[in-house]
Amino acid sequence: DVKVTQSSRYLVKRTGEKVFLECVQDMDHENMFWYRQDPGLGLRLIYFSYDVKMKEKGDIPEGYSVSREKKERFSLILESASTNQTSMYLCASSHYGYTFGSGTRLTVV
Amino acid sequence: AQRVTQPEKLLSVFKGAPVELKCNYSYSGSPELFWYVQYSRQRLQLLLRHISRESIKGFTADLNKGETSFHLKKPFAQEEDSAMYYCAPPYLGSNYKLTFGKGTLLTVNP
Repeated sequence: DVKVTQSSRYLVKRTGEKVFLECVQDMDHENMFWYRQDPGLGLRLIYFSYDVKMKEKGDIPEGYSVSREKKERFSLILESASTNQTSMYLCASSHYGYTFGSGTRLTVV
Repeated sequence: AQRVTQPEKLLSVFKGAPVELKCNYSYSGSPELFWYVQYSRQRLQLLLRHISRESIKGFTADLNKGETSFHLKKPFAQEEDSAMYYCAPPYLGSNYKLTFGKGTLLTVNP
């Protein structure tokens, strides 16, 4: 079974903090993705990576950055957290169809 | 980005009734389309891929290129089908980057 593991299930951070969300996959997939999931808005793509050190912006990259130093790990960084970044963050890995992590529910206060 | 529309936010049916979750997309050509499902307190998971033409948990979906639709169907709904369903076509020009509809919450009543 492909495993995509997100390091935190719940996080509470303060406005202005730098936040790191970590995602690790164990199937040697080249493609990895970060989405945020909000009620009524579905899933929106923040960033994706198609290889180590390669990244592309998705539909809503503002306020976020990513890092992919190793193939199995894809990190999402909130440079200065704001309350409108309170959301469920989903990481996915893909070869042909996605496998999702269990999500990180981030609350920014 | 590719546009995908799931017109129903909420859909409620009774157990044993047929169910159809609608999905329309804007794309020319032959996209590879997916349906994903999220059960309560579980992670999002693949339900069905257009290209494999499998029937999973009794669900099927037919690609209608003329109507650009990929509706998900099941002839007899079960209570355990209650979940959030997302239609996911690829982004234009990409085979592996998916865009997701806003989802339909299906409730199957006893």
